[in-house]
Amino acid sequence: GAGVSQSPSNKVTEKGKDVELRCDPISGHTALYWYRQSLGQGLEFLIYFQGNSAPDKSGLPSDRFSAERTGGSVSTLTIQRTQQEDSAVYLCASSSIPGGELFFGEGSRLTVL
Amino acid sequence: AQRVTQPEKLLSVFKGAPVELKCNYSYSGSPELFWYVQYSRQRLQLLLRHISRESIKGFTADLNKGETSFHLKKPFAQEEDSAMYYCALSPPLNSGATNKLIFGTGTLLAVQP
Repeated sequence: GAGVSQSPSNKVTEKGKDVELRCDPISGHTALYWYRQSLGQGLEFLIYFQGNSAPDKSGLPSDRFSAERTGGSVSTLTIQRTQQEDSAVYLCASSSIPGGELFFGEGSRLTVL
Repeated sequence: AQRVTQPEKLLSVFKGAPVELKCNYSYSGSPELFWYVQYSRQRLQLLLRHISRESIKGFTADLNKGETSFHLKKPFAQEEDSAMYYCALSPPLNSGATNKLIFGTGTLLAVQP
């Protein structure tokens, strides 16, 4: 595919369940970002992967959130024991160089009931 | 700490009127600054970045280091400019800091006919 691909596009879950969100970046892009988009909060930085460097996890809101990037490509964002306040659109973006233009996916909309 | 402030959640103007979307930043140094835009039902995408000094779709943004501002301007708004606009900041490439991009909360621009 030509762009960043995210799945699922929509996820409805019950409070307390775990969810996994997947991001397939543009091939060859070394930088990968996760953001959370919610009304009134804008785009909240979650985590940043750059090549083989240790990820910048400074934006993860709690220890229920984790992310990994396997083989420098696909990334998975995991939210454990979901809460209603986790409801948001989770956006993934990739970039070919540090500080370069970010290319965003369409997002995964998470609704926690 | 790096922070981006967009004081207006909504800006409504008439077609043909000038537009200024405000952005102020907090960063101890010379950051990289960007404007991203999200049109209805489209992905978030880069509009312009300050180092390019370009005019994209008639929009320009001037970095004012004294006022720590990077306001987005267009002399004559068009209906197709209606979208969500996000100002964003990242540390300079040679700073040694991770190149995560920090976004403001966004301003919804509505251009009335």
